[in-house]
Amino acid sequence: AQSVTQPDIHITVSEGASLELRCNYSYGATPYLFWYVQSPGQGLQLLLKYFSGDTLVQGIKGFEAEFKRSQSSFNLRKPSVHWSDAAEYFCAVAFGGATNKLIFGTGTLLAVQP
Amino acid sequence: DSGVTQTPKHLITATGQRVTLRCSPRSGDLSVYWYQQSLDQGLQFLIHYYNGEERAKGNILERFSAQQFPDLHSELNLSSLELGDSALYFCASSARGAQRETQYFGPGTRLLVL
Repeated sequence: AQSVTQPDIHITVSEGASLELRCNYSYGATPYLFWYVQSPGQGLQLLLKYFSGDTLVQGIKGFEAEFKRSQSSFNLRKPSVHWSDAAEYFCAVAFGGATNKLIFGTGTLLAVQP
Repeated sequence: DSGVTQTPKHLITATGQRVTLRCSPRSGDLSVYWYQQSLDQGLQFLIHYYNGEERAKGNILERFSAQQFPDLHSELNLSSLELGDSALYFCASSARGAQRETQYFGPGTRLLVL
């Protein structure tokens, strides 16, 4: 069955430190992968997506993610975290087929220490 | 601002009642998706409509129903409400609902059932 795993429920980093949020997926076909961010009380904003081609994708707000087929991973990275990055981050896979529904991971809550 | 609008932003009601959540997709988008975000279930796909027709159903209860109107706005109807239906309900839209499309999310409707 298709699934998305985000092993880290909660991460705390210091402002200015680097960040990596992990995402692993289980999907039989070519995955279409997304990272969304949800700030407190807000909706979901798309950070970046991978459909094909270059496995390192750039997104908004200085985020990037790397698709590694051999590891079934799509980890999100940022070289220097800002206090405004504190939010919940969701990895998702597009199901495809008759519907393009998204399967989401459980999310990683990021806290940023001054 | 994703261009997807949802009303109302907040809804407080009692068990056994019925409510209607409304979603207007981005201009030009034909597909509308509904998702439920709850503490115990996370983000789950409920239902997908494309150009007025139901395309796929996910973990949607029989007490819940949806439709998409000729002007492409969609409504999610929740009836015989239970405490466990308290959640954040998101609507998303995409161009056609095909693979390689990004879903853009609205701000959500927060439902509290007392």
